[in-house]
Amino acid sequence: EIVLTQSPGTLSLSPGERATLSCRASQSVSSRYVAWYQQKPGQAPRLLIYGASSRATGIPDRFSGSGSGTDFSLTITRLEPEDFAVYYCQQYGSLPWTFGQGTKVEIK
Amino acid sequence: QLQLQESGPRLVKPSETLSLTCTVSGGSITSPNFYWGWIRQPPGKGLEWIGSTYYSGRTDYNPSLKSRVTISVDTSKKQFSLRLTSVTAADTAVYYCARHRARDIYFDYWGQGTLVSVSS
Repeated sequence: EIVLTQSPGTLSLSPGERATLSCRASQSVSSRYVAWYQQKPGQAPRLLIYGASSRATGIPDRFSGSGSGTDFSLTITRLEPEDFAVYYCQQYGSLPWTFGQGTKVEIK
Repeated sequence: QLQLQESGPRLVKPSETLSLTCTVSGGSITSPNFYWGWIRQPPGKGLEWIGSTYYSGRTDYNPSLKSRVTISVDTSKKQFSLRLTSVTAADTAVYYCARHRARDIYFDYWGQGTLVSVSS
C-alpha cells in the first residue's frame, strides 16, 4: 500500500497569500496518478486536480498541481476567503487507492 | 447534473451489519466509463477508500476491509450498495458514495455523505 504523507499539517496564511501544500508518497506513483481534493466542514470533498496537474471542470486557475515520482504539490497562488479548507491528496497508481491525512489551510 | 444520494440506518449495534445504498440520478449507472465507489471518513479524520463496483458487478476492495465488505449494484434501480459486517466503534464514520472513471481512479462526483454511528 502506498502511504501518502501531507505537510504541513496546518498552514496559517492571510487572504491574498500563496499556499504550497506537499504530498509525499512512500513509493513512486505511476503515471503521475495523483489527485487533490478540497473539503469544507460538513461537505463532501471536491475534486480540484487529477493526473497531478490537470484542473477539474470549473476549478479556478489559481489552483495548480505539480510533481512526479514520490513528490507532489498543490499551489494556490492567491488565497481567496473561500479557499480556507482542508486539502487531501490521493494516489490511484496502485491498489488500494489511498489518501493523505490532509492539510488544513486556515486564516492567519 | 449527476447526483448521488446515500441512504440507510444511521445507528448500528456492535457486531451487526452496516448497510447503505447510493441512488444515482441525472446520469447512467451503466456507463462503461465509470465505476461507483464507497469512501468513509471517521469524525475528525481522513478519507479511506472502501471499495468500488462496475455496472457489470465487478468489484475492487480495500484489502484492509475486504473480509467484511460486499459492494453490489442494481442497475434497474440505479443503485449500488455497501454491506459491512461485524462492525465496531472504529467503523463509526461519514460514509460517502462517489463516482470514478474506469481508467483514472479519481472521484469526480460525491454524495453528501451520511454519518453512521456504531453504538449499543
